[in-house]
Amino acid sequence: DAKTTQPTSMDCAEGRAANLPCNHSTISGNEYVYWYRQIHSQGPQYIIHGLKNNETNEMASLIITEDRKSSTLILPHATLRDTAVYYCIVRVVNTDKLIFGTGTRLQVFP
Amino acid sequence: ETGVTQSPTHLIKTRGQQVTLRCSSQSGHNTVSWYQQALGQGPQFIFQYYREEENGRGNFPPRFSGLQFPNYSSELNVNALELDDSALYLCASSLPSRGGTDTQYFGPGTRLTVL
Repeated sequence: DAKTTQPTSMDCAEGRAANLPCNHSTISGNEYVYWYRQIHSQGPQYIIHGLKNNETNEMASLIITEDRKSSTLILPHATLRDTAVYYCIVRVVNTDKLIFGTGTRLQVFP
Repeated sequence: ETGVTQSPTHLIKTRGQQVTLRCSSQSGHNTVSWYQQALGQGPQFIFQYYREEENGRGNFPPRFSGLQFPNYSSELNVNALELDDSALYLCASSLPSRGGTDTQYFGPGTRLTVL
C-alpha cells in the first residue's frame, strides 16, 4: 500500500502557483520523497525528489516540513500543460519499486 | 524525453494468447523496472531487473516473466492472457549508485488490449 495521502483533485488558475500537499506521517529516516506526474495516457514524468531539505529545479519546488511528515510540491506558474495526475511517493533509494497511490488530479484552467 | 523507448505502442490480443513487450533503457542505465497500470489506477510494480537478474517482484503470477539483455534492454512476457491483463505497461530505467539516488525514468508505455 502507498504510504502517502494526497487530495483527490485540485484546481488552479493559469499563471498562479499550484501547491500540491502530501502527507507521509510514517516516513522513515532513510526514505526520500519523490514526485512524479502523469499526463493522460503517457508514462509518468519525474519531477523532483528530496530527503529533508527543500529542493528546487527547473520544473518545481519541494518543501518538506521539519518533522518530514508532510511535503508540498509547488509549481510556481501553472500552465494548461501542467494539467495531470501528480503522485507523491516515499521510498528508500536503491530499492526496487515505486509504490504509486491514487495521486492528485490537478486541473489548470484559463 | 527520457530516452526510454517501448514497443509496440499498442497491441490487441485474444484471451489465452502470449505477448512480448520490449523496452530500451536510457543510455548508461543498468536497471529496468516494469509496471502495470489499469485504467483509472496508479501504476503497480511487476518486477525489476538489475544486470540481467531479477531484483525484486511485485504481486503478479508467474505467467508474467521478464528478461534483461547484456545491453540492458528488457522484455516483459505474459502467457495465457486474461481479460484483466488489459492495461498500460510501463517500463522505467535507472542507475543505482552508492551515495546517490536511483531515479526511475519512464517510457511512454505499451497499451495492451485483451479481447
